Amino acid sequence: DSGVTQTPKHLITATGQRVTLRCSPRSGDLSVYWYQQSLDQGLQFLIQYYNGEERAKGNILERFSAQQFPDLHSELNLSSLELGDSALYFCASSVADSYNEQFFGPGTRLTVL
Amino acid sequence: AQTVTQSQPEMSVQEAETVTLSCTYDTSESDYYLFWYKQPPSRQMILVIRQEAYKQQNATENRFSVNFQKAAKSFSLKISDSQLGDAAMYFCASKGGKLTFGTGTRLTIIP
Repeated sequence: DSGVTQTPKHLITATGQRVTLRCSPRSGDLSVYWYQQSLDQGLQFLIQYYNGEERAKGNILERFSAQQFPDLHSELNLSSLELGDSALYFCASSVADSYNEQFFGPGTRLTVL
Repeated sequence: AQTVTQSQPEMSVQEAETVTLSCTYDTSESDYYLFWYKQPPSRQMILVIRQEAYKQQNATENRFSVNFQKAAKSFSLKISDSQLGDAAMYFCASKGGKLTFGTGTRLTIIP
């Protein structure tokens, strides 16, 4: 158990809908990262927050957005969902915004029908 | 920009034998970290081993060790005394800013 929690574990929805994925980092970690893993692919970095502020952006679509709240939990919002958005979404956290290793949550599996 | 390349989509090894997974990377960062992550069927991402680029000594963690060749930008993972529980996808990753992953190597352990 990495100490990073993600809810829900599974999510099934329809095209055009909007969903919210939630992540709670390890106690004491200030950075939260979001990744997308499509079937049998490597992880693609989406976005990073550090202590409530956006720190880095990767290949995140405009239909996707995220935020980190004062209690440091983070939410990833996915809207106007398409079939191709079906994937495993991971959250990771690290102590600081540097080269520290990242600890991954168990992931949320999103299926868009 | 960073790129990480894993040229072996699949590997297999007999139980108790040794296997080496290959990884090459490219980065413009002068200071960076390298990682191997394991993803078993549960899909959890588990850190196996890490290497600081400024350290010449190769990292080891029990049965797992790396061969870090900085000039060649190569970072291979050696698993000794392979066990059935080692069966998983293995991802090489580089972090000089954001964490960049390779496409993975699926390792099968043959009993």
